[in-house]
Amino acid sequence: AQKITQTQPGMFVQEKEAVTLDCTYDTSDPSYGLFWYKQPSSGEMIFLIYQGSYDQQNATEGRYSLNFQKARKSANLVISASQLGDSAMYFCAMRSLGGGADGLTFGKGTHLIIQP
Amino acid sequence: DADVTQTPRNRITKTGKRIMLECSQTKGHDRMYWYRQDPGLGLRLIYYSFDVKDINKGEISDGYSVSRQAQAKFSLSLESAIPNQTALYFCATSSPASGRSDTQYFGPGTRLTVL
Repeated sequence: AQKITQTQPGMFVQEKEAVTLDCTYDTSDPSYGLFWYKQPSSGEMIFLIYQGSYDQQNATEGRYSLNFQKARKSANLVISASQLGDSAMYFCAMRSLGGGADGLTFGKGTHLIIQP
Repeated sequence: DADVTQTPRNRITKTGKRIMLECSQTKGHDRMYWYRQDPGLGLRLIYYSFDVKDINKGEISDGYSVSRQAQAKFSLSLESAIPNQTALYFCATSSPASGRSDTQYFGPGTRLTVL
């Protein structure tokens, strides 16, 4: 079984500061993928970034980067130069990459509020 | 136009009623999924489908059924709705061929209330 833990229910950050959202995971699968999604107040789920367990480098997508520490089983999302529009719920998720594809296992999310 | 659409976007129904939520996609993906989201929780998988002939139960399939009418259409049914099925429902699609290791892309969600 897979499990995602997000220990920060809510965070307040000043605009333009960098933000780190924590995510730890547990799995017995040797090959897996880690994902981050953003859910604004409007409700949609927006894909942000992906990291494979065998990727040698940490993933980056614009202002988003993933701090992947495999030995510690952590996959923290870093948002550089935060903006007011970054205020949203953020979900960490994972799935096994071996065998058949099934769904994502999600954490409970972190509610990020960017303050001007 | 959105790549993944869900209808209806909002629905209020009564206990015991049958209801169908529909999902359509123009992404050309072969894999489709249904999730539900309850307040304060992440998403949980209800059903998923690899292709038209393949349907699989997820973590919380009890009380739900699905139909994959075509590659682009995947419907979720509640045969006899109950209040604890009140939730936000998401459809998602993916394809291994699209890269990023089968990343799932979500529709806008359907907010369902069962009275």
